[in-house]
Formats: sequence, structure tokens, C-alpha cells
Amino acid sequence: DIQMTQSPSTLSASVGDRVTITCRASQSISNWLAWYQQKPGKAPKLLIYEASSLESGVPSRFSGSGSGTEFTLTISRLQPDDFATYYCQQYNGYSPYTFGQGTKLEIK
Amino acid sequence: QLQLQESGPGLVKTSETLSLTCTVSGGSISTTDYYWGWIRQPPGKGLEWIGSIHYSAYTYYNPSLKSRVSMSIDTSKNQFSLNLNSLTAADTAVYYCARYSGDLAFDIWGQGTMLTVSS
Repeated sequence: DIQMTQSPSTLSASVGDRVTITCRASQSISNWLAWYQQKPGKAPKLLIYEASSLESGVPSRFSGSGSGTEFTLTISRLQPDDFATYYCQQYNGYSPYTFGQGTKLEIK
Repeated sequence: QLQLQESGPGLVKTSETLSLTCTVSGGSISTTDYYWGWIRQPPGKGLEWIGSIHYSAYTYYNPSLKSRVSMSIDTSKNQFSLNLNSLTAADTAVYYCARYSGDLAFDIWGQGTMLTVSS
């Protein structure tokens, strides 16, 4: 299976900050990478697909980049609603779909 | 607007079999463009993909669960289902159903249903 490793596990930031979360794959997944946001007691919400495509309705302060084995999710100006846990997921069709362990974004 | 809703027993005994159903509303499950999947999340932990099914009944399971999992689809009811046997406490989790495409990953999710496995 392809292992997905996110860093950091926890991130403390303030409203208005620019933050970046990294996701590394144990082998190349081309651009088959998605990012999700999850709030307590809620289902994950798709933010980014194909590594850099913004899901419809998601604010433009969210952006994704990368290909191969290294990917990033950037939030350009944190809003109060953005404090949540973020997961990356690879969906390379030749391997079971796997998620990163999550990054909890906390208010500083 | 497409919506997914899980339904299930809530509490199951150790060694028994779990049956969950996901009802799709606001659209048809019989589409060539999408698969339908199950993902679970143990309390306080991360997400684990369980398996996916197409309306043609093609299935794709996580190898780590494959020996205990089966999925089915009922196009007449616009539902798909998950069976997981030989349950242990490690299967205690929130179970989500979701729509999946090769381009969009899991783009629409149900709200989730909590399953507790207890002796």
C-alpha cells in the first residue's frame, strides 16, 4: 500500500496567517491527491482534488500544489472557520486508497 | 442536490456481522461516472477506506479488510450496502458512505453513523 505522511501533526496559527501543510507519498502518485477538511462530529469535506483543483464552492484562499510524492495545502489568510483537521488522500487507481494521519489546525 | 444517508444498528456484539445501508437521494446510483464507497474513522483517529462499488456491481476492497467485507448495490432502491463480519472492538468507528470518481476522489459524503462493537 502507498503510505501517506502529513506534517505537521498539529499546527497553531492565528486568524490572517498563511499556513502550509505537507503530505508525502511513499511512492509516486502523479497528481492523484485530494485534501479534505473535517470539523468535530462532521464528515470530511473535499477541498482540493487532482492535487491542485479547487472543489466547487471552496474559498479561493485554499490552494494545493505538488506532484509525484510531495504535496502541499496552503491557506492564504486563515479565517475562524478554517480551524479544523485536514487530511490528504491518494487515489491512485492501482493501489488501495489511503489517507494521511491528519493535521489539526489550532488557534494560537 | 445529491445526498447520502447511512443507516445501521448502532451497537453490535463481538464476532457478529455488521450490515450498513447507504441511501442515495437527489440523483441516481445507476451512473457509469461514479463509484460508491465506505470509509470509517475510529474515535479520535484517522480515516480508513473500506471499499467501493459500482452500479455494475464491480467491487474493490481494501486488502486489509477484504476477507471480512462484502458490498452490494440495489439500483431499484437507490441504495448500496456494507457487510463486515467477525467484528471486534477494533471495528468500533464512525462509518461514512461517499460518492467517488476517478477525478474528484470522495466528493459527497453522508453524515456518518457510529458503530460500537461490544461483548
